[in-house]
Formats: sequence, structure tokens, C-alpha cells
Amino acid sequence: KNEVEQSPQNLTAQEGEFITINCSYSVGISALHWLQQHPGGGIVSLFMLSSGKKKHGRLIATINIQEKHSSLHITASHPRDSAVYICAVKAPQGGSEKLVFGKGTKLTVNP
Amino acid sequence: EPEVTQTPSHQVTQMGQEVILRCVPISNHLYFYWYRQILGQKVEFLVSFYNNEISEKSEIFDDQFSVERPDGSNFTLKIRSTKLEDSAMYFCASRANSGNTIYFGEGSWLTVV
Repeated sequence: KNEVEQSPQNLTAQEGEFITINCSYSVGISALHWLQQHPGGGIVSLFMLSSGKKKHGRLIATINIQEKHSSLHITASHPRDSAVYICAVKAPQGGSEKLVFGKGTKLTVNP
Repeated sequence: EPEVTQTPSHQVTQMGQEVILRCVPISNHLYFYWYRQILGQKVEFLVSFYNNEISEKSEIFDDQFSVERPDGSNFTLKIRSTKLEDSAMYFCASRANSGNTIYFGEGSWLTVV
């Protein structure tokens, strides 16, 4: 059973700051997802990673498969980035289809 | 951009009543999922569905739950006799045959009173 841990649980930043959210997992995976849950509750997929690094706008996600660790970075943070950021992992190929979720990191960006 | 749509967005029901939550996955997707999130807790897997049958289910998905794809576009989750502890946000998700990106709906809030 994969355990997914995120840190920090809560993060408050000033507009413009560089943000890092961390995710670690206990068992090998085929893919890791970073998701954003906005205040209304809906979930949006930000990245799906199986290796390396991806960038989309001000968001960067990295994964280190050997260390079982991923980070989500937000550059030049903005109040509209305020949301819960969730890491979720999928078992290796041929294994379970389900995603195992972390508890999420609640980010608040103040103007 | 194509999206997964869910209805209703919010439903309040009496304990013991049957509830059907509806989802329209992205049209060319073949894998379908239901997840739930009890307020303040992690998102949890309920069930996955592929090729017109359940491919995997969690221990939460007991005999009170069922899923159906009745007409090739809708994907429904039925709870036969709701309990207070079924109160949660229920998310439908889908993905294509190739690739791992999963697309989530906006969720359906279920409140059992």
C-alpha cells in the first residue's frame, strides 16, 4: 500500500514569492499527478509526471524516482494561486488503476 | 477543452433514500472512475470501470454502491440506501486508453440528513 505524504500542510505566502510544495511516497509508481482543488471543491489536473521535470507557465513540477519524491514550484505567486494542491500517485504499469492521494497542501497567497 | 461533467452539483437526501450521481466522461475516454472526499479528509478511490465492467473497487464500495454506463455516454454511481457517513463530495474522472492523464469533474456534493 502506497503512503503519500505532503509538506507543508499549510503555506501562507506574500504575492510574488517562490513557493515549493513537497510530496513523498513509499512504493514505486508509474505516474504522479499534481492536482489543484479550488475553493468550490472541483479538482483540476496540473501535471502528470513519470520522470524528470515539466513546466507550464509559472508552475514547475519535478520528480526523483529513486528518492520517491516530487516537488511543485510556483514562481511569482499570485493570490489567484490560493488553493489546495494535491499529490496523487498511480501504481506501476500493470498494477492498480487507482490513484492514492495525499492530504493536500493549502496555499494562501496574500496581496 | 473537453471536460468531465457531473450532475447534480449538490444534493441533499434523507437517510435511507437512494441517490444517483451522474457523470458524462470525455467522449473518447475508456477508463472511468469514482472517487469521494469526506469533508476535511483525503480523496479516496471508490471504483474503476473499463470495458463495461468494474475493473477494481475499494473496500468502501460495498453492496450499497453500484455503477452503470447505461447508454455509452453517461456513467452513474448509485447509492441504494444512503447513510449519514455517505455525506461527501463525489468526483467522477476519466482517461483515454493511452496516457495516464486523468480528468476530473467538478464534483457532486452529497449531504445525507
